[in-house]
Amino acid sequence: SYVLTQPPSVSVAPGQTASISCGGDNIGSYSLHWYQQRPGQAPVLVVHDDSARPSGIPARFSGANSGNTATLTISRVEAGDEADYYCQVWDRSSDHRVFGGGTKLTVL
Amino acid sequence: QVYLVQSGPEVKSPGASVKVSCKTSAYTFSGYGISWVRQAPGQGLEWMGWINTYNGNTKFAQSLQDRVSMTADTATSTAYLELRSLRSDDTALYFCARDRSRDGSYYFDSWGQGTLVTVSS
Repeated sequence: SYVLTQPPSVSVAPGQTASISCGGDNIGSYSLHWYQQRPGQAPVLVVHDDSARPSGIPARFSGANSGNTATLTISRVEAGDEADYYCQVWDRSSDHRVFGGGTKLTVL
Repeated sequence: QVYLVQSGPEVKSPGASVKVSCKTSAYTFSGYGISWVRQAPGQGLEWMGWINTYNGNTKFAQSLQDRVSMTADTATSTAYLELRSLRSDDTALYFCARDRSRDGSYYFDSWGQGTLVTVSS
């Protein structure tokens, strides 16, 4: 089945920009989605279809997807952005939804 | 605002079964699928499967397909997950999520609060 690879952790200072990667074979041909999960809470969709933001998600969250890597970018990082972030695709060959392993974002 | 409210925590013995409910409101239940996702303690998200709430068709993760069932009651707008032959490694937080499709893309735009299932002798 399709595999998505994320770095286990990313650290960033407040006010700086965080980039979280999600790798996969020809991932640019898939629609890629991102979720934020704060400790003890359910995940929240922050980007869908590579770069679209649901209503209520700040414009500081943006996404891109090309080649073998997709990236979630969080600008002007705040303490409240500290969370786990997961990428996800629909694998059309198996009709399965697939998650990456998750990346813990630490705000220093 | 879409709502998905799950049933309460469960403690089960190894070999038993568990059934978790997910009651939805504020949208047309049969217009969207429901996926179930679980998260073992300290681990990542694992997709378990999906149910088409309109016709009852299902798709399960290969690792679980022999032990899992998913059903949907359109009269009460409630989805159910049943997991059989429970093992200790089934201890996890179980989430339901509204499964949204868009031009062949599938993602989860609303989530339940999670149900903790503990398997212990």
